[in-house]
Amino acid sequence: QVQLVESGGTLVKPGGSLKLSCAASGFTFSDFYMSWIRQAPGKGLEWVAYIGRSGGSISYADSVKGRFTISRDNADNSVFLQMNNLRAEDTAIYYCARIQLWSGDYWGQGTPVTVSS
Amino acid sequence: SYELTQPLSVSVALGQTARIACGGDNIASKNVHWYQQKPGQAPLLVTHIDDSRPSGNPERFSGSKSGNTATLTISRAQAADEADYFCQVWDSSTLVFGTGTKVTVL
Repeated sequence: QVQLVESGGTLVKPGGSLKLSCAASGFTFSDFYMSWIRQAPGKGLEWVAYIGRSGGSISYADSVKGRFTISRDNADNSVFLQMNNLRAEDTAIYYCARIQLWSGDYWGQGTPVTVSS
Repeated sequence: SYELTQPLSVSVALGQTARIACGGDNIASKNVHWYQQKPGQAPLLVTHIDDSRPSGNPERFSGSKSGNTATLTISRAQAADEADYFCQVWDSSTLVFGTGTKVTVL
């Protein structure tokens, strides 16, 4: 069965950096686009970034462009989100999702990121 | 940037039909996907490509669209359907989510 397990979320100070990981299993990882989506406390869903099957197609939300970098390792069935220059407004649960027909058909349980001094 | 607007809340009596609207400019020209999210859980895709149901999802959930509005219909509402619901489209190389609707089953 498809499983996505995020890790790496923690408390970090404003201006700090963090790298999130998402380990995938139960499907042919290199056949799918992958995405990061976040949800601030009590708020709705906000798409963050996606990456194509071989890593050649990448897109970011304007709110994170220039600060966040998405990458993947198809040999290790993993997708990553490097987050730099973090701000309080980046505080959220970060979900990893598999993209199928431009929808997130499977999601992980999320990893919480808190940006606070 | 493209925006999707949903009502803050919808109430439905047990066993009745709930309809959740998702408004966006000419949304009928786009593929619309719907997610259900219960407290403390990750979102779950309930319909995609307007009205296709992922394997295992109940037939009580169906999608439609016309003009500037897409609609998720929940038939024969059950207590387990109480959740937040989000619409989503793909636009200009971005994924766009709606503002979200809280569904209460009375």
